Order: sequence, then C-alpha cells, then structure tokens
Amino acid sequence: AQKVTQAQTEISVVEKEDVTLDCVYETRDTTYYLFWYKQPPSGELVFLIRRNSFDEQNEISGRYSWNFQKSTSSFNFTITASQVVDSAVYFCALIKINQAGTALIFGKGTTLSVSS
Amino acid sequence: DSGVTQTPKHLITATGQRVTLRCSPRSGDLSVYWYQQSLDQGLQFLIQYYNGEERAKGNILERFSAQQFPDLHSELNLSSLELGDSALYFCASSAHAGSGDEQFFGPGTRLTVL
Repeated sequence: AQKVTQAQTEISVVEKEDVTLDCVYETRDTTYYLFWYKQPPSGELVFLIRRNSFDEQNEISGRYSWNFQKSTSSFNFTITASQVVDSAVYFCALIKINQAGTALIFGKGTTLSVSS
Repeated sequence: DSGVTQTPKHLITATGQRVTLRCSPRSGDLSVYWYQQSLDQGLQFLIQYYNGEERAKGNILERFSAQQFPDLHSELNLSSLELGDSALYFCASSAHAGSGDEQFFGPGTRLTVL
C-alpha cells in the first residue's frame, strides 16, 4: 500500500533559522510522483513542487529547496532563513496512479510556526 | 489564486440534512477531484471525475455522491449528514486523468453539521 509519513507534527523556529521538514514515502510503483503543498492559516492548499521518481536532482526555488533520495524513500523540504510568512501546515503527498485515474495520498502534515 | 472556484465558502446545517457543494475547475482542466480534510482523518481523497466520467474512488461514504457536468463543473452531494461529516471539503483540478499532473486546489467549503 502507498503511504506518506511526516513524523514531525509541529516545529517552532525563530525567524532566519533554517528548517527541514521530513517526508518518507512507501510505494511499490516504479513510476510515481511526489508533491509538497502549503496550507497557510487562511486554509487554501498551495502547490509548491512536483518531483517524478526518475529525477533525483535536488531542486532550489528561492529560499526553498527539496532533497529527493530514492535510496531512503525520502523527499525532504528545507526552508532557508525562515520568515513569519512561512508559518503554515506543510503536506507531503504521493500520487497513486492506475490506468483509470489518480489520487493524492497525503501525509498528516507538519505545522511550522516561525516567530519574530 | 489557483483558478479553481468552490461555492459556498461556508455551510452550516443540521444532522440528517442534505447539501450540495459546487466546484468549477481551472480553464482547460478536464479532471476534478474531491478531498475531505478533518482533524482526525487528515486530508483524504474521495473521488475523481474526468470529462464527465468517474475515474477513481477513495474512501467515499455511500451517503456521498458526485458528478461532473458537460460544462466540467462538479458537484458533491452529501446526504443524511452526521456530526462527523463536519470538515473542510476541497475540490482540485488537473489537465489529465491517469498521470502525475499537479492538482490545483480550490479554497474549500467548510461544512459544519450541528
């Protein structure tokens, strides 16, 4: 069965600290996609990144970076120099694909609180 | 703004009642997904439609049903409501059906069952 585990329920940091959010996934598929979404206090789900199973290159987007390691089935997310606006719940997700359709399997989320 | 719209934003109703949640996908997207977010279950996939046809089904209760219309908007019908159905219901859309496309989420409908 496919599963996503985000072991960190809550993380609190002070502004300008770096923080890493962990994500471990389980799947038997050889082709799969991983995602990160952000849910700010306003409640909407904001897409951050998609990574396919054949691309293990790390990705950097501004203060955000992602480390994908198939050997450890992990897809970790690092925020550099955190800001108060980064306070949100962050979800890691795995897409389950069959011939008919798809579904996102979400982890439980990590609540990040950044204080000034 | 993701381009996915959902109405209403909030809904308060009583146990035993029936409600309809509405979703319009992003322009050009043919797939619509419904997800439920509750404190105890987290974010759970309910159902997917692609161009009017049901394509994937998750943990959707028999009391819940959905459809996608020719203009591609979708409705999620929840009947015989129970207290435990109180949750945030998200609609998402993507271009295709069985692929790894990113799904773009609407703002959600917060359902409160009293």
